[in-house]
Amino acid sequence: DVVVTQSPLSLSVTLGQPASISCRSSQSLVFTDGDTYLNWFHQRPGQSPRRLIYKVSNRDSGVPDRFSGSGSGTDFTLKISRVEAEDIGVYYCMHSIQWPWTFGQGTKVEIK
Amino acid sequence: EVQLLESGGGLVQPGGSLRLSCVASGFTFSSSGMSWVRQAPGKGLEWVSLFHNEHGNTDTYYADSVKGRFAISRDNSRNTLYLQMNSLRADDTAFYYCAKGRGDYWGQGTLVTVSS
Repeated sequence: DVVVTQSPLSLSVTLGQPASISCRSSQSLVFTDGDTYLNWFHQRPGQSPRRLIYKVSNRDSGVPDRFSGSGSGTDFTLKISRVEAEDIGVYYCMHSIQWPWTFGQGTKVEIK
Repeated sequence: EVQLLESGGGLVQPGGSLRLSCVASGFTFSSSGMSWVRQAPGKGLEWVSLFHNEHGNTDTYYADSVKGRFAISRDNSRNTLYLQMNSLRADDTAFYYCAKGRGDYWGQGTLVTVSS
């Protein structure tokens, strides 16, 4: 199975400051079609998860442009350029290159 | 607007069964891959089962933790996804979410509690 590992597992950020979360996979997430199947999700307390980024760097509809994804192969990063209060919660990376699709452990983001 | 509405959760005794349903609207259900994802209280996310529909693949998949006990199915005429859960155990207690495709849309979840 492909394992995805996030770091850090918790992050305390000042409003307006940047934040960055790393995700590393145990093998390449490049599929035979040439796409890289690494997604990022955000889950606020008491809510369902919401996908923010798909295929490494594509923002889903309605996602603010302060969120960006980057990386390739086995190393990926989610960046928030300026953290806002609504960004609190848990962020998960997730691969879907082969079954089982798996999530990282989650990174809890809080405001200082 | 895409909507996914789960139902069927509740309290069940160990060894019991439940069937979850997810009614979809706002997209072409019959051509979409669909999944069930669960989250135990206070824990992370686990992709439980997938009804794939991509790259010519229309197979079904299960996490090892539920293989042989859970069955995913769909009724395209009713735009509904199902998860039949048998031989339930305490560690199956979780919120169960229905998700479209590779997680682009999620339902609000339904809570399954397995306890005597």
